[in-house]
Amino acid sequence: GQQVMQIPQYQHVQEGEDFTTYCNSSTTLSNIQWYKQRPGGHPVFLIQLVKSGEVKKQKRLTFQFGEAKKNSSLHITATQTTDVGTYFCAALSTSGTYKYIFGTGTRLKVLA
Amino acid sequence: DSGVTQTPKHLITATGQRVTLRCSPRSGDLSVYWYQQSLDQGLQFLIHYYNGEERAKGNILERFSAQQFPDLHSELNLSSLELGDSALYFCASSPGVNTEAFFGQGTRLTVV
Repeated sequence: GQQVMQIPQYQHVQEGEDFTTYCNSSTTLSNIQWYKQRPGGHPVFLIQLVKSGEVKKQKRLTFQFGEAKKNSSLHITATQTTDVGTYFCAALSTSGTYKYIFGTGTRLKVLA
Repeated sequence: DSGVTQTPKHLITATGQRVTLRCSPRSGDLSVYWYQQSLDQGLQFLIHYYNGEERAKGNILERFSAQQFPDLHSELNLSSLELGDSALYFCASSPGVNTEAFFGQGTRLTVV
């Protein structure tokens, strides 16, 4: 079945350092979504990417969809303590039944 | 506040019992998704309903069932509970399919 892997699984950074998480699929994706889950919280939608090679920015966050639509990345510039949480990518199943497969997640800790 | 309401927030029950988790989607949203998140794990897709009809099934056990009612609220029924069913169960809603999903606060189920 369709699998979506995220690396790294964990990342500790000093406040002010940059952070990147990668999402890789074994199959071509229709689109990809990114979510953030704070500790003890629920996933919150960040963005959806649809087009090959698409790049979107939200303040310090940059999202990219690969040219082959099999991978995506989320880059955070100059991390802040408020960035702490787990970042998930979610890929639409290509089986046509409209279900989202969530990636394994990257847990980010920011050290002040 | 995402606008998605899940009840109850916490549930403690014994093995072998049956419970019902309830989800009220955001006003106007036709899609409801159910996810299971075990401790420090990712999100496992269970099932998706759209406007009252089942659209997709993920890794949902036969002991679990769900439905979406005419008023669009949804219930997830878990029966013959086992210790391993202890997890956070999230409901999410979206206006249609293939759009951003809004997650509820989750129901934390503990089976003892």
